[in-house]
Amino acid sequence: QSALTQPASVSGSPGQSITISCIGTSSDIGASNYVSWYQQHPGKAPKLIIYDVSDRPSGVSDRFSGSKSGNTASLTISGLQAEDEADYHCSSWTSLNILGLFGGGTRLTVL
Amino acid sequence: EVQLVESGGGLVQPGGSLRLSCAASGFTFSTYWMHWVRQAPGKGLVWVSRIDGAGRITNYADSVKGRFTISRDNAKNTLFLQMNSLRADDTAVYYCARSPAGRGGPGFDSWGQGTLVTVSS
Repeated sequence: QSALTQPASVSGSPGQSITISCIGTSSDIGASNYVSWYQQHPGKAPKLIIYDVSDRPSGVSDRFSGSKSGNTASLTISGLQAEDEADYHCSSWTSLNILGLFGGGTRLTVL
Repeated sequence: EVQLVESGGGLVQPGGSLRLSCAASGFTFSTYWMHWVRQAPGKGLVWVSRIDGAGRITNYADSVKGRFTISRDNAKNTLFLQMNSLRADDTAVYYCARSPAGRGGPGFDSWGQGTLVTVSS
């Protein structure tokens, strides 16, 4: 199974907004509402920040938002802060929901 | 508080075997689907395998099918990953992760700290 496609890196200044894309196919993102996003700081375990395309777990800042259009999911971070600098990973499942997929990860740099 | 603690990683020669464990606490382990996810050094996350709460249903990524076996001991609140015929490209940090309640899919809401597996001669 092929991984989802994310940009290798994005950057933004404090206070700005950035969007990270996650491109799949009609067999995974296009067929599933189970898209999730994870934040991972260096040397740490991933942390769930978005699930079911656009829902936020309790305790996650509302500066993080998710959406989906066709075969592409997106993560938007508004009001960038220094602590947002991390790797971000998207995830979905195949249309039969038996195989998991991740994107290659996107390194966010806060300038 | 939900806790997942992996162990069992280490250095192993190509062709060798290793068994990873993930000790769970703070929730009713037997009611959750559990997963293994790995991350090669400097690379992205890769889903490896999952198992249902009862231990009856398992799924694997193509890259590990036939070599890895996921299992669980609900009496001991422990998840396992038996890894055989290890290859250099299996080198990674291995995380155990929990699916949301009532689902077997993504939205992994709890993760362990990971255990490093290095396959090298």
